Amino acid sequence: KAGVTQTPRYLIKTRGQQVTLSCSPISGHRSVSWYQQTPGQGLQFLFEYFSETQRNKGNFPGRFSGRQFSNSRSEMNVSTLELGDSALYLCASRQGFSNEQFFGPGTRLTVL
Amino acid sequence: GIQVEQSPPDLILQEGANSTLRCNFSDSVNNLQWFHQNPWGQLINLFYIPSGTKQNGRLSATTVATERYSLLYISSSQTTDSGVYFCAVLFGNEKLTFGTGTRLTIIP
Repeated sequence: KAGVTQTPRYLIKTRGQQVTLSCSPISGHRSVSWYQQTPGQGLQFLFEYFSETQRNKGNFPGRFSGRQFSNSRSEMNVSTLELGDSALYLCASRQGFSNEQFFGPGTRLTVL
Repeated sequence: GIQVEQSPPDLILQEGANSTLRCNFSDSVNNLQWFHQNPWGQLINLFYIPSGTKQNGRLSATTVATERYSLLYISSSQTTDSGVYFCAVLFGNEKLTFGTGTRLTIIP
């Protein structure tokens, strides 16, 4: 089975722009979660989608949004980028509740 | 929310040594996972271990759910074991909460 894939792997943007990141889960996995990793804050949960519905949301401003498609692929969008949004964004998939989560390689976003 | 603490924060060992990494959590959990973050940032699954003991080669893990801790053992360390190790817990149906990690450095 192919693993979780994320595109793009690297991204450079400037302040004020917006960005869309994509995540394709492992085949058969219906849950996709997004995490942000920064040196100062560690790994923080952004949101989780299951069957196209947002199931949980972390403590991030409304500039961070996401969606999930019928094929379970997910996108996250960050609008009006700030310098502090520079981070590694990781996506994870799992089959359902209380199951093992598998992570993709991440997208490294740099905001200049 | 649930708290996850890892110790030690940093560990430097000679190649061939054994190590024990600890993860304490503040509440009963449905899921506990150990990850190794590779130099490119990807989290590699090591163990899915909400309770009990598992072994995979030189690595093994034990979770004592009633006492709210988990241990990751690495035997005969190799330089390729270097990196950051995270434990993460799932409480109820909520988000995976990560510890702050243990940075392991293996010296040849």
